[in-house]
This record gives sequence, structure tokens and C-alpha cells, in this order.
Amino acid sequence: NAGVTQTPKFRVLKTGQSMTLLCAQDMNHEYMYWYRQDPGMGLRLIHYSVGEGTTAKGEVPDGYNVSRLKKQNFLLGLESAAPSQTSVYFCASGLGTSGRTDTQYFGPGTRLTVL
Amino acid sequence: GQQVMQIPQYQHVQEGEDFTTYCNSSTTLSNIQWYKQRPGGHPVFLIQLVKSGEVKKQKRLTFQFGEAKKNSSLHITATQTTDVGTYFCACGGTSYGKLTFGQGTILTVHP
Repeated sequence: NAGVTQTPKFRVLKTGQSMTLLCAQDMNHEYMYWYRQDPGMGLRLIHYSVGEGTTAKGEVPDGYNVSRLKKQNFLLGLESAAPSQTSVYFCASGLGTSGRTDTQYFGPGTRLTVL
Repeated sequence: GQQVMQIPQYQHVQEGEDFTTYCNSSTTLSNIQWYKQRPGGHPVFLIQLVKSGEVKKQKRLTFQFGEAKKNSSLHITATQTTDVGTYFCACGGTSYGKLTFGQGTILTVHP
């Protein structure tokens, strides 16, 4: 099992450009999450999904969109990148067991720089 | 929503010294998880604490959940260079398995 994979690993964008980050998991997990990590601020939840075809906003959703057309994939889109979106982006997945907190399994991350 | 404050932000120790990071909340937590992130890596789950006063050990790591379920700690005995990284606490128990992460403690171990 590859676990959680993310593509690309690195990306440099110019302000105003768009891009999509892809997350894939092969553990048949129901729940998937997108976080951003900035120095001194921990991990902040951008969007999440509780199953195929569903998405919901997290703590810092502005400027991002997501889609979960297939259970194993969770896409994060930036329509018009801004320098404030320079960050490391992590995707995570969880089993989705009702009534308890799941362990989250993280991908290796995407380091995005917006100039 | 739930928030957790983690201290210290940085900790530098000599190899062999002990290390502790603390996680505090103003509200009662349903449970708390701890994750470790190696430099350049991704967060990896270490443990989950659920019960009031719970103590769990993993080799040189000791995890505690406070009696009031408002704080938690991670203690490493006799640090090694392999312990370097950022340690995060995360509180859960909200809907859909969502976690709220603390800011993390960056541990540096000098050989």
C-alpha cells in the first residue's frame, strides 16, 4: 500500500495563476482532509470530505476549492494564487468510524511558493 | 471551536536530557492525539488519549491526559538525536473526525 500520496511535491506559481493539487489514498478511507502548514501556526484545516461527492469548509477555506469525485481522490484547487497561499499543503485521510476520533494518515506534502 | 495551546514553541536539549511539551485547553476535551513530524516530513500519529488521567508509554515516551481532560503532556526520557522534529497535539471528538492542532513544539537535540 502506498498510503496517501500527493502530487506535485513542489510548485512555484506566479500571482494569479491557478493550479490543482492531487491527493490519492489506497486505504479505502471515507474521510479526507486538506491542511496548510505555516511556521508557528501548526496545521490548519482548509476543506474536508466525509465521502465521495461531499465536501465541506474547514478553518481557512477562502481562496481554495475542492472536489471528491472518486472516493480515493481529493483535489485542492487554487483559482487565482496569491502570495499569502505560499505554504506547505498536506492531505490526510481517516477511516470515518462513527462516534470516535480517527487517526489521520498524512501524505508527504506539497511545497507551494507563490511569487 | 476547540482550541489547544502548546508550549514551549521551541526546545533545545543536549542528547540524554529529558524533554516535555504541554498542551492546554480552556474547555474539556473528548480526546487528544499526538503526532510527530520529522524535519522535511509529514505528521505521523503517535498516540490517542481518551480517559481522564490516562497515562500511556511508548518506550522512552510518556503521554498523559489530565484529570480534568483540559491538558496533556508528552515527556521524552533521555532524548536521542532521532527524537528531533516537531511534536503536535491535536484535539478531536468533533464531527467527522476533524482535528484541531496545536502550534507544535520544535525539538532540537544536540549530540
